[in-house]
Amino acid sequence: EAGVTQSPTHLIKTRGQQATLRCSPISGHTSVYWYQQALGLGLQFLLWYDEGEERNRGNFPPRFSGRQFPNYSSELNVNALELEDSALYLCASRAGLGGSSTDTQYFGPGTRLTVL
Amino acid sequence: GDSVTQMEGPVTLSEEAFLTINCTYTATGYPSLFWYVQYPGEGLQLLLKATKADDKGSNKGFEATYRKETTSFHLEKGSVQVSDSAVYFCALRPTGGFKTIFGAGTRLFVKA
Repeated sequence: EAGVTQSPTHLIKTRGQQATLRCSPISGHTSVYWYQQALGLGLQFLLWYDEGEERNRGNFPPRFSGRQFPNYSSELNVNALELEDSALYLCASRAGLGGSSTDTQYFGPGTRLTVL
Repeated sequence: GDSVTQMEGPVTLSEEAFLTINCTYTATGYPSLFWYVQYPGEGLQLLLKATKADDKGSNKGFEATYRKETTSFHLEKGSVQVSDSAVYFCALRPTGGFKTIFGAGTRLFVKA
């Protein structure tokens, strides 16, 4: 069974541009989480989608947004990129609201975003 | 609110040394507890988990026991290898919750 996949692996943008990152969850998982991991820091929760709806968001400005498609894949969009947005962006999937609260999050390999 | 505190790194050990990475948590009820590992340049992988008090999670020689009385979930391995060099994250999911809360991570270096 395929795991969580993310694309692209690496993304290089310049300040002010927009970035789009993609995530495909494990088959059967309806919940998708996005995290930002800046260099030397832990994981910062960004967004949580389930069944196509945004369920929760972390303490990030509105230029961080996303969506979840009917096939449960997800996009993270970052507008008006700033230098400090350079980070590894991790996506994780989970069984979803209908699953047990003990269900585990499974992570993708991440997208390394570099803003020049 | 719910939180996870783990020991600051980096932790540097010689091969075959004993490893302990401390993790304590604050949460109401009985959260599920997890250890994730992140190898260089990769995403996070689930290492082990425990879902109730006194449960012991184990995988690849690593172990952690859910201690409700001390609100701890310390990670241990009897003999580390160079290939264990990575960042280790302790995490919890609150009872009935859907968001996983991560500690800051502990970087482990194992020297040959």
